[in-house]
Amino acid sequence: DVKVTQSSRYLVKRTGEKVFLECVQDMDHENMFWYRQDPGLGLRLIYFSYDVKMKEKGDIPEGYSVSREKKERFSLILESASTNQTSMYLCASSLSVQPQHFGDGTRLSIL
Amino acid sequence: QKEVEQNSGPLSVPEGAIASLNCTYSDRGSQSFFWYRQYSGKSPELIMFIYSNGDKEDGRFTAQLNKASQYVSLLIRDSQPSDSATYLCAVNERSSNTGKLIFGQGTTLQVKP
Repeated sequence: DVKVTQSSRYLVKRTGEKVFLECVQDMDHENMFWYRQDPGLGLRLIYFSYDVKMKEKGDIPEGYSVSREKKERFSLILESASTNQTSMYLCASSLSVQPQHFGDGTRLSIL
Repeated sequence: QKEVEQNSGPLSVPEGAIASLNCTYSDRGSQSFFWYRQYSGKSPELIMFIYSNGDKEDGRFTAQLNKASQYVSLLIRDSQPSDSATYLCAVNERSSNTGKLIFGQGTTLQVKP
């Protein structure tokens, strides 16, 4: 089975902090994705990566950056956290155009 | 703007009934179609995928695809209270070969005992 592991289930940070969310997959998938999910807004794509060191902006990249130095790991960075970035963050991975598999999610609160 | 449309619901069915969830998509070139189930507070879980026109059955679940009408549906037979969840329809973005998906907003299903 595909295993996508997100480093934290719950995280509380302060406004202005630099926040790192980590995601690791164990299936040698080339594609990895970061979403946020808010009530009434559905899943929104922040960034995705289709290869090591390759990244593309999704629908809402503002205020975020990403890093993919190794194939199995995809990091989401909030450069200067703000309260409007309080959300559920979901990481997913996939092989080619196969289904995406999601991690358990990180519920991030910015105070 | 490529879109995937779902009725947000809630769709309420009695236990043992057939639940029918529908999804339309705008990208005529899409080739891959997925249904995810998401329980409250949890992450989406893949339950079905379909690539060809017609029906695909897996246990109590049947996915139906009609590319000419740009329509995909999910039928759940013998619905159980444990099926109560939000169901997300997702469609691949044809212009991208990176596995990027377009998700619908989801339909909330309530199965009443």
